[in-house]
Amino acid sequence: DAGVTQSPTHLIKTRGQQVTLRCSPISGHKSVSWYQQVLGQGPQFIFQYYEKEERGRGNFPDRFSARQFPNYSSELNVNALLLGDSALYLCASSLGSTWRGAQETQYFGPGTRLLVL
Amino acid sequence: TQLLEQSPQFLSIQEGENLTVYCNSSSVFSSLQWYRQEPGEGPVLLVTVVTGGEVKKLKRLTFQFGDARKDSSLHITAAQPGDTGLYLCAGAGTGANNLFFGTGTRLTVIP
Repeated sequence: DAGVTQSPTHLIKTRGQQVTLRCSPISGHKSVSWYQQVLGQGPQFIFQYYEKEERGRGNFPDRFSARQFPNYSSELNVNALLLGDSALYLCASSLGSTWRGAQETQYFGPGTRLLVL
Repeated sequence: TQLLEQSPQFLSIQEGENLTVYCNSSSVFSSLQWYRQEPGEGPVLLVTVVTGGEVKKLKRLTFQFGDARKDSSLHITAAQPGDTGLYLCAGAGTGANNLFFGTGTRLTVIP
């Protein structure tokens, strides 16, 4: 069975540009979460989506947005990139069988490594 | 913000030694998870502890959840080079839909 997949694996952008990252959850999983992991730190929660609706949002500026599609895949969009946005962006999927998404086991993808120059 | 602090931040030991990693917070969590992350990959779940005082064993790894559900520890017996990686604890707050990750402990086991 395929795990969580993310694309692209690596990305280089310049300040001020916009980027879109993509995530396909495990088949049958309806919930997708996005995390940012800066080098040397643990992942920080950005968004959680379930059935195309935002279920949770972390402490990130409005430059960060996301959406979930009918097939449960998701996109994370970051506008007006800053140097500090350089990080590994992780997508995690879970069944979504409970409204308390964090209680469920989340399966992480390999991440997209974004470098902003 | 619910902060989870892990100690030590870095740990380098010889193969066969024992070690303990700590995860501490001032907040109460409804459950706590431990992950291991290797370079170029996402975190992989090792265990979830739910009940205060709970102890779970996974081969040479022993996980404990504090009685007050604010802290946890991971003990590895007879460490092996394959145990090398970044160990992350993550807490689920009551009613929260997201995980709060710790700062991580980078373990290196030298053959």
